Amino acid sequence: DAGVIQSPRHEVTEMGQEVTLRCKPISGHNSLFWYRQTMMRGLELLIYFNNNVPIDDSGMPEDRFSAKMPNASFSTLKIQPSEPRDSAVYFCASSFSAGAFGEQFFGPGTRLTVL
Amino acid sequence: KNEVEQSPQNLTAQEGEFITINCSYSVGISALHWLQQHPGGGIVSLFMLSSGKKKHGRLIATINIQEKHSSLHITASHPRDSAVYICAVSPIQGAQKLVFGQGTRLTINP
Repeated sequence: DAGVIQSPRHEVTEMGQEVTLRCKPISGHNSLFWYRQTMMRGLELLIYFNNNVPIDDSGMPEDRFSAKMPNASFSTLKIQPSEPRDSAVYFCASSFSAGAFGEQFFGPGTRLTVL
Repeated sequence: KNEVEQSPQNLTAQEGEFITINCSYSVGISALHWLQQHPGGGIVSLFMLSSGKKKHGRLIATINIQEKHSSLHITASHPRDSAVYICAVSPIQGAQKLVFGQGTRLTINP
């Protein structure tokens, strides 16, 4: 298996632009997570999906952030409009959860820089 | 106070030394995870445990549920073990969510 795939790996954009991050989870996994990592705050959960349905988006910073999972093999995280404080590494992770939890497998991350 | 606290925040040791990283948490959990993040940035899950002890190669993870404490040990440390080690817990409420510690930066010198 190729593991969790994220694109792009690096994104540099200007303040006010729309940014779309993409994630392909491991085939067969039924849970998908979006995380953000910054030096100040470490790793934070933004949102997670179970069977393509958003379960908890309480970590999404504000309305500028939105996430979708139209099918089991694809998810997007969109920031519009982007701001310099959104600069961070964004990780996608997936897991198979038959019960309450499962081991999570992380993608390589997308390093976002907003100028 | 953070729900997950790690110590030390930074640790430098010589190759071959026995390493211990500690994690304390304040919430009821269904599982505890140890993750490794290498300088390149990728995150790898090392262990997921809910009781007792697990061993993988030179890595050992233990957990004491009553004391809400876990340790990650590395025997015969090697420079390639240099990384950030992150403790995370799956709370009983919302068990699929991970709550992360701030990480321990480990540097092993040759």
